[in-house]
Amino acid sequence: GESVGLHLPTLSVQEGDNSIINCAYSNSASDYFIWYKQESGKGPQFIIDIRSNMDKRQGQRVTVLLNKTVKHLSLQIAATQPGDSAVYFCAEFNTDKLIFGTGTRLQVFP
Amino acid sequence: DTGVSQDPRHKITKRGQNVTFRCDPISEHNRLYWYRQTLGQGPEFLTYFQNEAQLEKSRLLSDRFSAERPKGSFSTLEIQRTEQGDSAMYLCASSYRATNEKLFFGSGTQLSVL
Repeated sequence: GESVGLHLPTLSVQEGDNSIINCAYSNSASDYFIWYKQESGKGPQFIIDIRSNMDKRQGQRVTVLLNKTVKHLSLQIAATQPGDSAVYFCAEFNTDKLIFGTGTRLQVFP
Repeated sequence: DTGVSQDPRHKITKRGQNVTFRCDPISEHNRLYWYRQTLGQGPEFLTYFQNEAQLEKSRLLSDRFSAERPKGSFSTLEIQRTEQGDSAMYLCASSYRATNEKLFFGSGTQLSVL
């Protein structure tokens, strides 16, 4: 069946460093992916998306990379700040709905 | 505020009681989704609407669950005869177009069944 998974449950980085959060997906037919950030007690917040006809997309301090050959997504956060501390989910659009993985918790320490 | 709005934010109920949650999507968004999230997990799809039509329901949605979107605007999710296993965050999301468009989520309704 289809699944979206993440390699690391928790990532700890020092403030100012770059963060990389990885995600594997299993459905090679998926053509749209989204990264969400979720803070405690809040709903998922859209960060950035990418379609399968692209391999890289940049936003403000964030970059998403898509490798369709190995079915891998990554989210790069530049100059990580304390406000970036949250759980990050990749989600795969499959048959008209988003399928989420379990998430990676990003902890930023001074 | 023009985001997705959910009410209530928190609900505590006793096992066996019925509960109803409301979601107001972003105006002009014609797709509305319901998800459920338990601690440490990603959101799980429950159901979605295209305007007022309910197009898909997950196997997670037992007969005790029912969702409506009567006028294609706000939606309600009702759980009858609640069980402790229903305790979770219930999230609503909306999107503008039919498919492959970003979903915007509300803050959710946290349900605790005692």
